[in-house]
Amino acid sequence: GENVEQHPSTLSVQEGDSAVIKCTYSDSASNYFPWYKQELGKRPQLIIDIRSNVGEKKDQRIAVTLNKTAKHFSLHITETQPEDSAVYFCAASTGSNYKLTFGKGTLLTVNP
Amino acid sequence: DSGVTQTPKHLITATGQRVTLRCSPRSGDLSVYWYQQSLDQGLQFLIHYYNGEERAKGNILERFSAQQFPDLHSELNLSSLELGDSALYFCASSERTSGSKSYEQYFGPGTRLTVT
Repeated sequence: GENVEQHPSTLSVQEGDSAVIKCTYSDSASNYFPWYKQELGKRPQLIIDIRSNVGEKKDQRIAVTLNKTAKHFSLHITETQPEDSAVYFCAASTGSNYKLTFGKGTLLTVNP
Repeated sequence: DSGVTQTPKHLITATGQRVTLRCSPRSGDLSVYWYQQSLDQGLQFLIHYYNGEERAKGNILERFSAQQFPDLHSELNLSSLELGDSALYFCASSERTSGSKSYEQYFGPGTRLTVT
């Protein structure tokens, strides 16, 4: 089955800096890669996603890149703010069953 | 607010007991997914229902079962509970199983289960 590795497990940045979180996946059939943000005790919230037919997608301060050949994708957050502090999860899915396989998560701390 | 609702928010029960968790998907969504989140295992897919039919199973224990009703709400039944079943249980819903909106899954607030 699919396996998703996520790095780093923790990331601490200064407010205004950029943050990058990287994930690799194992199943070449995976074609959908969402990113979720989870605040303590809250639900995972979909923040951005990318399909396998696209190399990059941007939404204001967040962007995701996908390298299908290398089977890795990354989340980029620019101009970080304290409210960006949360656990971020990457996930992968194939079109055949739609289940999401999640990475272990990255605890992002943005220091004011 | 994702539009997905789950009840109860918290559940405390003893080992050996049985509980039922309930999920109502977003209006119009036909797919319901159940996930378990624990500190050691992370977020793990349990089961997927689409319009009342089971579509995929993940690492779901035989003690666990689920169903989706004609009104599209879903229930996850956990029986013979063990200490290790303590976790956050999330359901998520998505619009359909084809087309551009089929992939996006929106999570409910979760049910925190504590087994003592």
